[in-house]
Amino acid sequence: TQLLEQSPQFLSIQEGENLTVYCNSSSVFSSLQWYRQEPGEGPVLLVTVVTGGEVKKLKRLTFQFGDARKDSSLHITAAQPGDTGLYLCAGTPSPYSGGGADGLTFGKGTHLIIQP
Amino acid sequence: DSGVTQTPKHLITATGQRVTLRCSPRSGDLSVYWYQQSLDQGLQFLIQYYNGEERAKGNILERFSAQQFPDLHSELNLSSLELGDSALYFCASSVRSGVEVGEQYFGPGTRLTVT
Repeated sequence: TQLLEQSPQFLSIQEGENLTVYCNSSSVFSSLQWYRQEPGEGPVLLVTVVTGGEVKKLKRLTFQFGDARKDSSLHITAAQPGDTGLYLCAGTPSPYSGGGADGLTFGKGTHLIIQP
Repeated sequence: DSGVTQTPKHLITATGQRVTLRCSPRSGDLSVYWYQQSLDQGLQFLIQYYNGEERAKGNILERFSAQQFPDLHSELNLSSLELGDSALYFCASSVRSGVEVGEQYFGPGTRLTVT
């Protein structure tokens, strides 16, 4: 079973602060995706990372895929109240680490609250 | 708006009953995925269909089944419902078929409450 562990589970910070959330696994993933979910709504895709060591930037959000493709991080600079939400990482397991099903494996998520 | 539609938005039913959830994928997407989200388990992959054929199974119970029709919409059938089946059910679609990188786009979900 390819598990994705996210940390921290909960994070509450002040507007303007920086933060990093992590997504770790002992398995290799072909790709990792980050989603943001609002209560009662479907996850919204933020980014997909594919290549080990890859870094992608989306405005104030920076995503990194680990060199070994087992972990990823999301860094938010100067957080704003609009960043509040549940951040989920999800992966497509590599066939070489026992993957085969095409459904995404999700972490439990990081509940982020940005206080004004 | 992801382009994926799901109906109904909310569903309340009794234990032992059967319900059908419906999903229409984004235009051009051939793959449909079903997920269940509960507070304790998080998002769990149930099943995938690609161009009408079952492609992959995840943690789907035998009481649950799905199909994808020629127009590519999909239905998830849940039968002999139990209290523990109460959850959010999401449909996602992708243009890709398989283990290559496949970005999935999620619908707004159906909230099922079993009483």
